[in-house]
Amino acid sequence: DIQMTQSPSSLSASVGDRVTITCQASQDINDYLNWYQQKPGKAPKLLIYDASNLETGVPSRFSGSGSGTHFTFTISSLQPEDVATYFCQEYDSLPLCTFGQGTKLEIK
Amino acid sequence: EVQLVESGGGLVKPGGSLRLSCAASGFTFSSYTMNWVRQTPGKGLDRVSYISDSSTYIYYADSVKGRFTISRDNAKNLLYLQMNSLRAEDTGIYYCARDQQLGVFDSWGQGTLVAVSP
Repeated sequence: DIQMTQSPSSLSASVGDRVTITCQASQDINDYLNWYQQKPGKAPKLLIYDASNLETGVPSRFSGSGSGTHFTFTISSLQPEDVATYFCQEYDSLPLCTFGQGTKLEIK
Repeated sequence: EVQLVESGGGLVKPGGSLRLSCAASGFTFSSYTMNWVRQTPGKGLDRVSYISDSSTYIYYADSVKGRFTISRDNAKNLLYLQMNSLRAEDTGIYYCARDQQLGVFDSWGQGTLVAVSP
């Protein structure tokens, strides 16, 4: 099975900061990588699919990059409403698909 | 607007059964593969099952194979998950999620809590 390792597991940053989260796959997953945002008490929300494609309606301060085994998720200018846990998810190994363990983002 | 609303969760004893439902609206339900994804304290997010648009293809995670059954009623826009022989490790929030393309979950319900405890 593919393992997805997210880092860091938690992060504290100031409003306006550039925030970066990484996701490392245990084997090549091409660009079959999604990023989700989960606010407290809510369901996950798709932000980025296929590593770098912004889901419709998602603010442009969110972006994703990478391919193969190393992926990056970036918030260009952190806003208060971005407080959430962020998950990566691979789907190269269908029907299996594996989520990362999550990165909890807080405002400093 | 796409809406997915789960129901049927609750507290059940080990070995018991529950049937979850997911009511879909705002899109052509019969055109999409649908999933059940659970979030547990132990394993985080985990897709437990999916069913293709016409029910031709069905998948179960090894952890639930033989105990859970997924089904759908396209005439009623409903997705189901029959859960039997429940275990403590099945405790968590169960979400139904729509597949934008296989493996990309673009819409999620609010979730329903399943608690398996003596």
